[in-house]
Amino acid sequence: ILNVEQSPQSLHVQEGDSTNFTCSFPSSNFYALHWYRWETAKSPEALFVMTLNGDEKKKGRISATLNTKEGYSYLYIKGSQPEDSATYLCAFRLGAGGTSYGKLTFGQGTILTVHP
Amino acid sequence: NAGVTQTPKFRILKIGQSMTLQCAQDMNHNYMYWYRQDPGMGLKLIYYSVGAGITDKGEVPNGYNVSRSTTEDFPLRLELAAPSQTSVYFCASLRDRASNQPQHFGDGTRLSIL
Repeated sequence: ILNVEQSPQSLHVQEGDSTNFTCSFPSSNFYALHWYRWETAKSPEALFVMTLNGDEKKKGRISATLNTKEGYSYLYIKGSQPEDSATYLCAFRLGAGGTSYGKLTFGQGTILTVHP
Repeated sequence: NAGVTQTPKFRILKIGQSMTLQCAQDMNHNYMYWYRQDPGMGLKLIYYSVGAGITDKGEVPNGYNVSRSTTEDFPLRLELAAPSQTSVYFCASLRDRASNQPQHFGDGTRLSIL
């Protein structure tokens, strides 16, 4: 069983604050690391798919970095807004036979609440 | 382009009843997945399929069955509903093995077993 951990479990910030959270994953047999944003009653929305050590990706005020050698990824949100409130999920894709058939192992998520 | 469509959105079942959760995608994706999401637990893979006629177990398959008779449809069956199957169920699809592809998710089915 693969171990994918996210921290913190939940986070409350004020509008305008910048914040970051962590995803740790196995450092061997790495294929890809996914970040998704999930609002209750909606479908999880893909933010980033990261494949190379040292990758940095950005989408508006959200960015992510990847360290495959030590097995962690950070997600940053600059100037948080109430509409950023959601659960942020990371998911690890194992590099194996058949490139693991695209299967993902998810962390438990970080619940972000941004207060106006 | 509807993407991944799940029905129903909500359902309440009695213990011992059976039901099928429907999932359909119109993107001609070969790979499809069923997950369940429990509070504080992330998404757990129940079953997956790499093409019509090919399915395999994920991490938590007990109490569920699947079939994949067409590329578009991937239904999930609960034969004897148990309270432990109360959860939010997500269906997802993936175009191919290319490394930069995210999975596409449906809106979920919220299932309560009472």
